[in-house]
Amino acid sequence: EAGVVQSPRYKIIEKKQPVAFWCNPISGHNTLYWYLQNLGQGPELLIRYENEEAVDDSQLPKDRFSAERLKGVDSTLKIQPAELGDSAVYLCASSFTGETEAFFGQGTRLTVV
Amino acid sequence: GNSVTQMEGPVTLSEEAFLTINCTYTATGYPSLFWYVQYPGEGLQLLLKATKADDKGSNKGFEATYRKETTSFHLEKGSVQVSDSAVYFCALSDLSTGNQFYFGTGTSLTVIP
Repeated sequence: EAGVVQSPRYKIIEKKQPVAFWCNPISGHNTLYWYLQNLGQGPELLIRYENEEAVDDSQLPKDRFSAERLKGVDSTLKIQPAELGDSAVYLCASSFTGETEAFFGQGTRLTVV
Repeated sequence: GNSVTQMEGPVTLSEEAFLTINCTYTATGYPSLFWYVQYPGEGLQLLLKATKADDKGSNKGFEATYRKETTSFHLEKGSVQVSDSAVYFCALSDLSTGNQFYFGTGTSLTVIP
């Protein structure tokens, strides 16, 4: 069974440019998460989806970050415009609704220069 | 609120040494507890979990016991190998608060031959 797939694995952009990350969760998983992992830190939740509905986006910086999960499967996370401080690893995870265990993708490492 | 505190690293051990990484938590409900491992350049992989008090999670020689009385979930391994070198994250999730994962800051382990 395929795991959570994220792309790209690495992205280098100049500040003020837009960037987008893509996530394909494990088949059948209703819940999808986007996490931000700064260097030397644990992941922190950005947004959680139940099917296509964003049920927790309280920690998503909405002035520059946006996310969508059309059709309740794949999801994209966008930053526009990117800032130097956005350099981090962006992790996607998925789980069955009501299950405590989540499965993580390999992440997208973003470098803003 | 919910939070996780884990032992700061880095930790360096010789092969076959005993490993303990301390983890304590604060939770408003009845969380499930996890240890995730992150190898260099990779995403998070579930190492073990425990869903209720006194449960013991185990995998690949690693163990952790859910101690409600001390709010702890310490990770142990009797004999570490070079291949165990990675960053270890303690985490909790609580279905009563939307199953958001709360991670510790991670402990880097290096095992030397």
